[in-house]
Amino acid sequence: GENVEQHPSTLSVQEGDSAVIKCTYSDSASNYFPWYKQELGKRPQLIIDIRSNVGEKKDQRIAVTLNKTAKHFSLHITETQPEDSAVYFCAAIASSNTGKLIFGQGTTLQVKP
Amino acid sequence: EAQVTQNPRYLITVTGKKLTVTCSQNMNHEYMSWYRQDPGLGLRQIYYSMNVEVTDKGDVPEGYKVSRKEKRNFPLILESPSPNQTSLYFCASSFLRGTSTDTQYFGPGTRLTVL
Repeated sequence: GENVEQHPSTLSVQEGDSAVIKCTYSDSASNYFPWYKQELGKRPQLIIDIRSNVGEKKDQRIAVTLNKTAKHFSLHITETQPEDSAVYFCAAIASSNTGKLIFGQGTTLQVKP
Repeated sequence: EAQVTQNPRYLITVTGKKLTVTCSQNMNHEYMSWYRQDPGLGLRQIYYSMNVEVTDKGDVPEGYKVSRKEKRNFPLILESPSPNQTSLYFCASSFLRGTSTDTQYFGPGTRLTVL
């Protein structure tokens, strides 16, 4: 079945720097890759997603890139701010018709003022 | 307001005492799912439902039951809770996109402690 690996597990950056989180997936038929942000004690919330027919998508300071050949996708946050501090999860949809999201293990991002 | 709601938000119970966590969505989503979140293990799917009266096991279904009698509700039932079911539980829902799901929206979470 699908497996998603996420790195790094923790990431600390200075305010204003960029942050990059990387994920790899195993099922070449996966076609939907969302990223969720989870603040302490809160629910995961979708921040950006990408489908397999697109190589890159951007929304203000957040961008996601997808390399289908290498089966990896990355989250890029530019000009980081303290409020970006949270746990970030990547996910992929399994190829079978279950709609099951397979999540990465999460990355704790700390943005230091 | 479009939302997924869960109740209760916090629950402390004892081993063996049956409990139900409710989940409701008002977005007319076909797909609903339950996840549990544990430190170091991320989010793991317990059960999911593609539509009314259609449910199936996820990755960690042991000790749980679900039902989908109405489109908007997807309760999670623990018939005989055990301490290893202490966790943070999330319900999620989405539209179906072909045979897969679209963006999944999460409920606020239920923190369950089984003593």
